[in-house]
Amino acid sequence: EAQVTQNPRYLITVTGKKLTVTCSQNMNHEYMSWYRQDPGLGLRQIYYSMNVEVTDKGDVPEGYKVSRKEKRNFPLILESPSPNQTSLYFCASSLHPTTSGNTDTQYFGPGTRLTVL
Amino acid sequence: EDKVVQSPLSLVVHEGDTVTLNCSYEVTNFRSLLWYKQEKKAPTFLFMLTSSGIEKKSGRLSSILDKKELFSILNITATQTGDSAIYLCAVGGRVYGGSQGNLIFGKGTKLSVKP
Repeated sequence: EAQVTQNPRYLITVTGKKLTVTCSQNMNHEYMSWYRQDPGLGLRQIYYSMNVEVTDKGDVPEGYKVSRKEKRNFPLILESPSPNQTSLYFCASSLHPTTSGNTDTQYFGPGTRLTVL
Repeated sequence: EDKVVQSPLSLVVHEGDTVTLNCSYEVTNFRSLLWYKQEKKAPTFLFMLTSSGIEKKSGRLSSILDKKELFSILNITATQTGDSAIYLCAVGGRVYGGSQGNLIFGKGTKLSVKP
């Protein structure tokens, strides 16, 4: 089954304790992206990756890191989480623009609800 | 600054009603506009629009784009309780130094359909 998976689905942690949220897709998509969703603010893009070893900042990259060492995985790293990073996080993937014409038809993972105390 | 604005923010209707959701945008180097439906989980794709005046249709849902006036509408006819969800509009535009990866979302319209 074609899907985007995220782990963990729920996480409660404390300020300053490094954490990683994993994202994996089995559709051979080249484009992957991370979003956070907050009440009243909608979905905001954190980072995206056009291909292996190619990553770019989205709208709200501060406090986050990503890596893209292989096509299927795109982990989100919070080196020193803070309470303002409490949010619902979504990973998404789609085909490369030169293949499909655009990257926009993104398929979303189930979400990770993160609480930072 | 690029932005996507959806209206109304919330809407309550009764089953059988027809609703129209609005999305306006100001995005550099517009590529496409997408509609998503989000229930209590991840957004699911509904439509992608790239050309003005061409209606996309799927069952009771339809959408159209006006690139001159910079907006799109999503219509739902004969609404059902299962249509209750947040409807998200997103626009793809070139924002950062020529890279094409940025997708900007509106804050969504929360639709509640009462029996």
